[in-house]
Amino acid sequence: DARVTQTPRHKVTEMGQEVTMRCQPILGHNTVFWYRQTMMQGLELLAYFRNRAPLDDSGMPKDRFSAEMPDATLATLKIQPSEPRDSAVYFCASGRGQPNYGYTFGSGTRLTVV
Amino acid sequence: AQSVTQLDSHVSVSEGTPVLLRCNYSSSYSPSLFWYVQHPNKGLQLLLKYTSAATLVKGINGFEAEFKKSETSFHLTKPSAHMSDAAEYFCVVSVASGYSTLTFGKGTMLLVSP
Repeated sequence: DARVTQTPRHKVTEMGQEVTMRCQPILGHNTVFWYRQTMMQGLELLAYFRNRAPLDDSGMPKDRFSAEMPDATLATLKIQPSEPRDSAVYFCASGRGQPNYGYTFGSGTRLTVV
Repeated sequence: AQSVTQLDSHVSVSEGTPVLLRCNYSSSYSPSLFWYVQHPNKGLQLLLKYTSAATLVKGINGFEAEFKKSETSFHLTKPSAHMSDAAEYFCVVSVASGYSTLTFGKGTMLLVSP
């Protein structure tokens, strides 16, 4: 089965450091989401790309988070500087842009900021 | 706008008994609806999806869900619970418009006892 690949799976970093999370969407998928999952807030949408163009990043703290798709095979989510409240699991999902096809999630990056 | 309400944060069943996880949705357009499952420390796996075809949808692992427009519901059921079904389940809504994200419910934790 085709998979969405996220790296790294786990990341522990010190407060103030830059963190970069990567996502390889399924080949042929033109839609990419970034979600953050915490116990308190559940699953929150951070960013949404269609054909590599950002359609919505209103869920991201703009002063420290940035999301890009440098090419169709790579999506990145950066946090600079990181803070302890950023500790969460970050999921990437990809799809074909129409909900009836469904969306496939990666295994997530578990980020711990100490 | 779209939203999802999962009516129970926790559901406890005994192995071999039926499972019912409740979900109500709100959507300005015809919705696509999904159920995802998340096992502990794992990613999100698609169980099943409704996309305006048959209202009774069959998914993996013996789960099914029925779309009821009049009740704005999409409840997930399984005739007989297995220990391996213990996980968190998310009801998700999306719409087939030009801009469509996935809106998640808060999740229902399914506990299965021997």
